[in-house]
Amino acid sequence: EAQVTQNPRYLITVTGKKLTVTCSQNMNHEYMSWYRQDPGLGLRQIYYSMNVEVTDKGDVPEGYKVSRKEKRNFPLILESPSPNQTSLYFCASSWDRGHEQFFGPGTRLTVL
Amino acid sequence: AQSVTQLDSQVPVFEEAPVELRCNYSSSVSVYLFWYVQYPNQGLQLLLKYLSGSTLVKGINGFEAEFNKSQTSFHLRKPSVHISDTAEYFCAVSPNTGNQFYFGTGTSLTVIP
Repeated sequence: EAQVTQNPRYLITVTGKKLTVTCSQNMNHEYMSWYRQDPGLGLRQIYYSMNVEVTDKGDVPEGYKVSRKEKRNFPLILESPSPNQTSLYFCASSWDRGHEQFFGPGTRLTVL
Repeated sequence: AQSVTQLDSQVPVFEEAPVELRCNYSSSVSVYLFWYVQYPNQGLQLLLKYLSGSTLVKGINGFEAEFNKSQTSFHLRKPSVHISDTAEYFCAVSPNTGNQFYFGTGTSLTVIP
C-alpha cells in the first residue's frame, strides 16, 4: 500500500530535549516536505526536499533541521524544542511540485 | 511574499444545497493552485489542482474550481453537498519561481441535515 508514515504519532516532551520525528514514504517520490498545522494559521511549510541531499527552507524553518540521506526518509529534527513548537506536524511526499502531495497521518507534539 | 486568503473560516450549508468556498492569492508570477480536504483526525487529500490550460478544473467527489487570473482567485464549488462533505478545506499555492507551498488558513464546511 502506497503510504507516508510518521513516528511517533504523539509526543510530549520538555523544553530543550532534542527529538526527531521520522517520515518515510514507499512511493519513490522525489519531493518531500514538512508542515506544521496550528489553529487559525492553516498549514505552514517548514522545510522541503527536491531529492537526496537537496533540502531548502520553507516559510517557518527556525528551530528545525532536516536531512535527506535516502530518498524514502526525511526526518525532522528539533535540536532544542520550545513551547512555541507545540503543534501538529505533517510530512508529505510527491513526484514533484505539480503533483498531488500524499500526507502522513500527523504527529502531535507538545513541548512543556 | 506570497499569501493565500480563504475568506470564510466557517461555512454552514444545508444538505443538497450548493456551496462555494473562496480562495484568493497574491503573486506576481504564475502559480500552481490546489484544493485539499482534511477529514477529522486525518491528513490532507487532494481534491483538484490547476497547473495550466482550461481554467475550469474538475476534481473528485463532484467538486470543481475555476481559476481567474485577473482576480487571482481559485474558488471551489459543488452544486449539491452531502453530509460526508463536512470537513476542513485548504487552498494552496505554489509559485512557479520556486518549490515552496503556501496554504490558506482553511475553511470549515459543515453540512446540516
